[in-house]
Parts: sequence; structure tokens; C-alpha cells
Amino acid sequence: QLQLQESGPGLVKPSETLSLTCTVSGGSIRSSPYYWGWIRQSPEKGLEWIASLYSTGNTYSTFYNPSLESRVIISLDTSKNQFSLNVTSVTAADTAVYYCARDTRQLELNQWYISEIDYWGQGTLVTVSS
Amino acid sequence: DIQLTQSPSFLSASVGDRVAITCRASQGVNSYVAWYQQKPGKAPQLLIYTTSTLYTGVPSRFSGSRSETEFTLTITSLLPGDSGNYFCQHHLAFGGGTKVEIK
Repeated sequence: QLQLQESGPGLVKPSETLSLTCTVSGGSIRSSPYYWGWIRQSPEKGLEWIASLYSTGNTYSTFYNPSLESRVIISLDTSKNQFSLNVTSVTAADTAVYYCARDTRQLELNQWYISEIDYWGQGTLVTVSS
Repeated sequence: DIQLTQSPSFLSASVGDRVAITCRASQGVNSYVAWYQQKPGKAPQLLIYTTSTLYTGVPSRFSGSRSETEFTLTITSLLPGDSGNYFCQHHLAFGGGTKVEIK
């Protein structure tokens, strides 16, 4: 059974960097055709997709929410079957529950679309406060 | 960017009732719309994907349908365990959610 588990600090100071790691067990992070990413949820913004990555064979691709792209990096550690999220220059608006998740995409008219997000981590609350 | 508007934002129904939640897209979309159920303090769980395909293990009381840019999640024979928040999703966009309360 595939499981995802987030880890990282629950409290981050304003202007600093939020760093989270997702450990995947029960399956390989390099298995096709899956994407691995981060989604956050706050009362103010609801569910918000942050970033995803895809890695299989010689292919490695990353995808970012345009509204967050300048502050976000998603990366992969295949030796540990983990992927990570860094969000720089955080503000109170970045306070949210952060989920790591797996999704599947379908190709239609030369664009890939998320068809389902079938596995989620339990979520971790990150508060931005001094 | 595509916006997804769910309605109602809250509904209260009795055990055994049939309820419907709609998700309207701000522009034309393909059929890759999914629905999730979220319990308090838990991650969302996939119910339906590609408009109407039931995810593994989801009871057939749940169904999905589409009429142009409006997608509907229907729950027949409501059970106490069906309480929670329900979200629609198309690609990178999520609906605002519908809270279902069992009377």
C-alpha cells in the first residue's frame, strides 16, 4: 500500500524559507506514469496546487503554480524515495496545511491534464509567525 | 485561469436522502474533473475521476455527471459517514468546497 508522509518544521519565521520533505513508501517515486507534488490548504484560499515533478528513466520535469513559481522549488532524492518543497520569503499568507500527493495525468490536444490525485499524505500544518 | 464554483457551499440532509453538489467551470473544460471527500483533520480522498469514474472502493451511492460546463456529484441514500467537505478539481484548480451535514 502506497503511503506518503510529510515532515518538516511546523513554525517558520516571516521572510525565511519553508522546507518540507515527503517520504514515499510502498512504491517507487520513479514509477511511471505518476507525478508527485505539493498542495496546500488554508481557510482563506482553500486548496491550492503548488508544484509537481515527474521522474522516470532519463526524464525529469518540474511544474510550478505561476503565482508561486518565483518562490518555490521542488526537488527529488531518488536514493531516499523522497521529494521536497522549499518556499522562500514566506509571509503569513503561506500559513496552511501542506499535503504531498501523487497524481496521474492524461494527454489531450498536446496538453497534460491531472485526471486524479489518488494518494495524499496526512498533511502538516505550517505556521508563519515571528 | 479556470475557476470552479461549487454550490451549495453548505447543505444539511437526512439519512437516506439524495443530494447533489454542482461544480461550474468558468470556461469550457474537458472531462478531467474529479471529486474528493474530506473529513475534519484529514486529507482529501478521491471519490470520482474523469467526470464519472468511481475510484476503487467507493460505494456506488456516489456518482458523477456532466452537462457542458456544469459537473455534478450525486450521493444517493445518504449515510451518517457521508458528512464532510466535498471538493471538485480540474487540473490545477479546485472548487471552494461544499460542507455536507447529516441532520
